[in-house]
Amino acid sequence: SQTIHQWPATLVQPVGSPLSLECTVEGTSNPNLYWYRQAAGRGLQLLFYSVGIGQISSEVPQNLSASRPQDRQFILSSKKLLLSDSGFYLCARSLGGIYNEQFFGPGTRLTVL
Amino acid sequence: AQKVTQAQTEISVVEKEDVTLDCVYETRDTTYYLFWYKQPPSGELVFLIRRNSFDEQNEISGRYSWNFQKSTSSFNFTITASQVVDSAVYFCALSEASARQLTFGSGTQLTVLP
Repeated sequence: SQTIHQWPATLVQPVGSPLSLECTVEGTSNPNLYWYRQAAGRGLQLLFYSVGIGQISSEVPQNLSASRPQDRQFILSSKKLLLSDSGFYLCARSLGGIYNEQFFGPGTRLTVL
Repeated sequence: AQKVTQAQTEISVVEKEDVTLDCVYETRDTTYYLFWYKQPPSGELVFLIRRNSFDEQNEISGRYSWNFQKSTSSFNFTITASQVVDSAVYFCALSEASARQLTFGSGTQLTVLP
């Protein structure tokens, strides 16, 4: 089966602290990977996507960054968290282009205090 | 630019009632795909269906059915004989060739009461 793992599941961090969220995918090679943020109010915002190792596209300028050091690993980072970074972070994968359905991981709930 | 509108913010029904979730989209492309996702309280988005712009056939999967109408730019989702387990937030989404991302609607919170 094609499974997406995200950790941690929940995280509480103080303002100004660094962040590292990890997403790993099983069962598929060369997937497209995505990071979304879902703030209160349910809207989903695409943050980054990657079509391959080392290839990252940013959709929204912010204090977050993403990296893809391995084919099945996608990392979301920040050097200094802001209060506005609080939210539910979802990793997703798809095979091929944007027309293919995306499958989502369980998410990480981040609270910045 | 692509846009997805889910005008119904919250819907509440009693178990066994039928319910329709509305989705209206905007796109300039002739080739595009439409999706529905379910987000239960656990948070993980669950893929339900994908439909391409050239296929207007309605689709039925168990208690779920989808009505795609290009003339009204709508892709509505009906749950027949709703159950408490159907309670979730439902998202409609659109992807098109000129964009590199999936655009989601704001979601509809469905609550099915026993």
